[in-house]
Amino acid sequence: ILNVEQSPQSLHVQEGDSTNFTCSFPSSNFYALHWYRWETAKSPEALFVMTLNGDEKKKGRISATLNTKEGYSYLYIKGSQPEDSATYLCAFSTDKLIFGTGTRLQVFP
Amino acid sequence: DTEVTQTPKHLVMGMTNKKSLKCEQHMGHRAMYWYKQKAKKPPELMFVYSYEKLSINESVPSRFSPECPNSSLLNLHLHALQPEDSALYLCASSQVAGSFQETQYFGPGTRLLVL
Repeated sequence: ILNVEQSPQSLHVQEGDSTNFTCSFPSSNFYALHWYRWETAKSPEALFVMTLNGDEKKKGRISATLNTKEGYSYLYIKGSQPEDSATYLCAFSTDKLIFGTGTRLQVFP
Repeated sequence: DTEVTQTPKHLVMGMTNKKSLKCEQHMGHRAMYWYKQKAKKPPELMFVYSYEKLSINESVPSRFSPECPNSSLLNLHLHALQPEDSALYLCASSQVAGSFQETQYFGPGTRLLVL
């Protein structure tokens, strides 16, 4: 059974703080790693699809790195804002997407 | 337009009812998916349609019956559900059928409660 783990489960930060969380996945048979941002009562929003070892992707204040050899990806948020409050999901691609349980981020003003 | 819409947003049904969930996308995507998410668990794949044909069924019980009437629409017909089927049902689509490196675009989900 393939397992995708995310840590921490939840995170509370002050506005302006930078933060990061981790997605761990099996390092064999790697195809791609997806990051999604999911606000309550909305659709999960695709942030990044990462395919190559050493990949770094950036979208505004959010960036992600990928290490396929050791099986982890980091998501960084620089200068967190209250609107960044959401659950951040990663998903490991094999013949289907296998999701982690997510990291729930709350940013307080 | 990168929107996937789902109706209804909420559904309450009894164990003897028959109901349907609907999903629609107008992005010209040729792959569509149903996922199920139970509380505090990750979304889990149920079905994949590729070019309007069922390509993956993740051993889902027959009380869930998917249908893809055309390339823009995906239905999930529900019959004789159990209370443990209560969950958030998410629909997604992607440009390319059968390639999991493609971004999947998700709808907001239908929250189902089975009494």
